[in-house]
Amino acid sequence: EIVLTQSPGTLSLSPGERATLSCRASQSVSSSYLAWYQQKPGQAPRLLIYGASSRATGIPDRFSGSGSGTDFTLTISRLEPEDFAVYYCQQYGSSRGLTFGGGTKVEIK
Amino acid sequence: QVQLVESGGGLVKPGGSLRLSCAASGFTFSDYYMSWIRQAPGKGLEWVSYISSSSSYTNYADSVKGRFTISRDNAKNSLYLQMNSLRAEDTAVYYCARDAGELLGSYYFDYWGQGTLVTVSS
Repeated sequence: EIVLTQSPGTLSLSPGERATLSCRASQSVSSSYLAWYQQKPGQAPRLLIYGASSRATGIPDRFSGSGSGTDFTLTISRLEPEDFAVYYCQQYGSSRGLTFGGGTKVEIK
Repeated sequence: QVQLVESGGGLVKPGGSLRLSCAASGFTFSDYYMSWIRQAPGKGLEWVSYISSSSSYTNYADSVKGRFTISRDNAKNSLYLQMNSLRAEDTAVYYCARDAGELLGSYYFDYWGQGTLVTVSS
């Protein structure tokens, strides 16, 4: 099973600032099969990024994903008030076991 | 529009059973792999199981293997999760989610239901 470690656990930033979230895998994620999701309190997760860097339908271009192998990054270029939430990465390179990271909470400073 | 609506959650004693359902609408259900994903209170996401579009393939997380069974009825546009031998650590909100790939599994999820809460407690 591929273990995903997200850091930091909490990111305290102000609106307008840049957010950089990390997701590190215990082994290489094949073909960059990595996705990012956003979850707000009381809501289901929402798909943001798939294939490590492709934005899902309707996702603003301030969200971008990058990385390969074992190191992946989600960047929010300028935080909007609605972006304060918890973010999860998920690998799907091994269909035998799909795993999520522990999450990064982006909170208002 | 795509809608996924879970039902069947509730309070159950350890060792008990529960069957979750997910009613799908707004897309051709029989063309998509589907999954169950859970989230313990205040915790992160954990994939539980997936099933292929024709039910030919299923897979389970080690934590539920042998206790949970995923199934679907394409005629009824419905997904199910039969949960047996429930444990306290199975307490979570259970989401059904649609695989993002049509016909072939992509194993990431573009639509999620709002979830149903399962509480395992004596």
